Amino acid sequence: KQEVTQIPAALSVPEGENLVLNCSFTDSAIYNLQWFRQDPGKGLTSLLLIQSSQREQTSGRLNASLDKSSGRSTLYIAASQPGDSATYLCAMRRGNRDDKIIFGKGTRLHILP
Amino acid sequence: DAGVIQSPRHEVTEMGQEVTLRCKPISGHDYLFWYRQTMMRGLELLIYFNNNVPIDDSGMPEDRFSAKMPNASFSTLKIQPSEPRDSAVYFCASRTRDRLLLSGNTIYFGEGSWLTVV
Repeated sequence: KQEVTQIPAALSVPEGENLVLNCSFTDSAIYNLQWFRQDPGKGLTSLLLIQSSQREQTSGRLNASLDKSSGRSTLYIAASQPGDSATYLCAMRRGNRDDKIIFGKGTRLHILP
Repeated sequence: DAGVIQSPRHEVTEMGQEVTLRCKPISGHDYLFWYRQTMMRGLELLIYFNNNVPIDDSGMPEDRFSAKMPNASFSTLKIQPSEPRDSAVYFCASRTRDRLLLSGNTIYFGEGSWLTVV
């Protein structure tokens, strides 16, 4: 069974610090991996998508990496701000013939002012 | 584009009643997904459609759940009869078919329908 795991479930970090969120998956034959942000009471917003042929993607203060061989992805947030407080979820899609997207349970991030 | 639109945003209903959740995907998107989110189980895929055709409903919990997509711009998820354990946030999401541009592979979520069954 494909699984996506995110540890820790919750994280508190002082404002200004750089931080890394972790995501691990059991199936190395992935098509792509995506990071999402979810604010309380809201839907999910896509942050970064990494195709299996890529190793990383960057957008502003965010950088996502992908290591298929170890089954890991990380989301790096530089110079964290209180507005970054949210739940961050990673999701994998197994293959281009498989449309299912499997989500981790997320890491709830709190940036301390 | 207005994004994926879901209704109702919030619903409180009594056990045994029928619940209908509605979704309007982004125009031009070929795929539509229904997810359920709970604290215990996270986000679970219930069913998805491609070009209005149900492709995989293996995530639908039981026969009380049904989903339809009568046209490219509308889908419903129905629970009949509803039970307290159905209380969750139900998300609809859509995306285009795979494209070379990465943005074509992004999935877009609605704001969710918060269901409470008492």
